[in-house]
Amino acid sequence: NAGVMQNPRHLVRRRGQEARLRCSPMKGHSHVYWYRQLPEEGLKFMVYLQKENIIDESGMPKERFSAEFPKEGPSILRIQQVVRGDSAAYFCASSPFPGLAFHEQYFGPGTRLTVT
Amino acid sequence: SQQGEEDPQALSIQEGENATMNCSYKTSINNLQWYRQNSGRGLVHLILIRSNEREKHSGRLRVTLDTSKKSSSLLITASRAADTASYFCATDAGNNAGNMLTFGGGTRLMVKP
Repeated sequence: NAGVMQNPRHLVRRRGQEARLRCSPMKGHSHVYWYRQLPEEGLKFMVYLQKENIIDESGMPKERFSAEFPKEGPSILRIQQVVRGDSAAYFCASSPFPGLAFHEQYFGPGTRLTVT
Repeated sequence: SQQGEEDPQALSIQEGENATMNCSYKTSINNLQWYRQNSGRGLVHLILIRSNEREKHSGRLRVTLDTSKKSSSLLITASRAADTASYFCATDAGNNAGNMLTFGGGTRLMVKP
């Protein structure tokens, strides 16, 4: 059973370009979370998705950031017109039954975005 | 301070010593989890303790939870150089709506051989 997969592992973009980060949850998991980690800081929640639904996007910046989790395929975190401040590690986590409250989240290896 | 605040921020010990890290939080929780992160890598889940539990063990790890003080501690016994990493506590939202995790800033542990 493969773990949470994220790609690419490293992504370099120039200011103004778009960044697309992909996350494939663990097999059997239909709940995905995205977190951002700035250097030397903890992770900050961005968005929680189920298949075809955004459940909670309270941690997402209002502009330039969007996320989706289609019926087929990976979850995508999209950052338009990237700026230097977007440079960070972006982690995806998945979980089987969040509503039960006692399930850990399984994290992917992260995508390290560098904006030059 | 933010939910899930760890202290100390950095800890340096000799191999074989015990390492204790503390975490405080502000709101009610369903559970509290500890994660480990090696430099530049992803997070590894260490242990989950439920709000109705007070202590939990896993190998050389011991976690305590005091909901009255809204605090938790992670003890690593007989530390090894390979334990060098950052350790984060994370609390859930407590509303069963999605269990998003709120992380603290982490404790950077260095174990010297």
